Amino acid sequence: QKEVEQDPGPLSVPEGAIVSLNCTYSNSAFQYFMWYRQYSRKGPELLMYTYSSGNKEDGRFTAQVDKSSKYISLFIRDSQPSDSATYLCAMSVNAGNMLTFGGGTRLMVKP
Amino acid sequence: GAVVSQHPSRVICKSGTSVKIECRSLDFQATTMFWYRQFPKQSLMLMATSNEGSKATYEQGVEKDKFLINHASLTLSTLTVTSAHPEDSSFYICSATPVETQYFGPGTRLLVL
Repeated sequence: QKEVEQDPGPLSVPEGAIVSLNCTYSNSAFQYFMWYRQYSRKGPELLMYTYSSGNKEDGRFTAQVDKSSKYISLFIRDSQPSDSATYLCAMSVNAGNMLTFGGGTRLMVKP
Repeated sequence: GAVVSQHPSRVICKSGTSVKIECRSLDFQATTMFWYRQFPKQSLMLMATSNEGSKATYEQGVEKDKFLINHASLTLSTLTVTSAHPEDSSFYICSATPVETQYFGPGTRLLVL
């Protein structure tokens, strides 16, 4: 079993839909949780960063962390075709330390 | 957000040659940088942790004599792929941490013929 599990997709949604992306993990020591967006042939771009449990909102993006369930989510409201990319969850035990990645979910938003 | 650059963005070389990839943190200092490798449709695989002023820490299965890492300053780390072979063809990405999380460079696509 992988330390971080993420559905690879692809996830196809119509423009304007609410998208829910999720990851589960097994290591209860993880405290820092991140979501990255990666376009084809580009480096990952940091979208959201959360410490411990709770919610964080930034524009159309909301990140949720439930440490009791070892489950994190990223919600994208009013999805746009430009949101089409691979979304990677990542987590670490200590700040700035080695990241453990999920396998990534490929999202396609159709006009 | 913090900016990390990589150079070159793309390189094609002949088998047996060495290739150097640079990773720079443009607006912050980074005592630690990370090097990843990514194959098509796969997630990032950590190769090594680069520490300024000391030896890099390599992940299991990564040949340190094959992938030479030098972190000579607080804003620059280099990865040299020595005697490259076609199986080394991949997308190489570096990252650096200004405070609590990692910011990634745009990646370098290496093709070894």
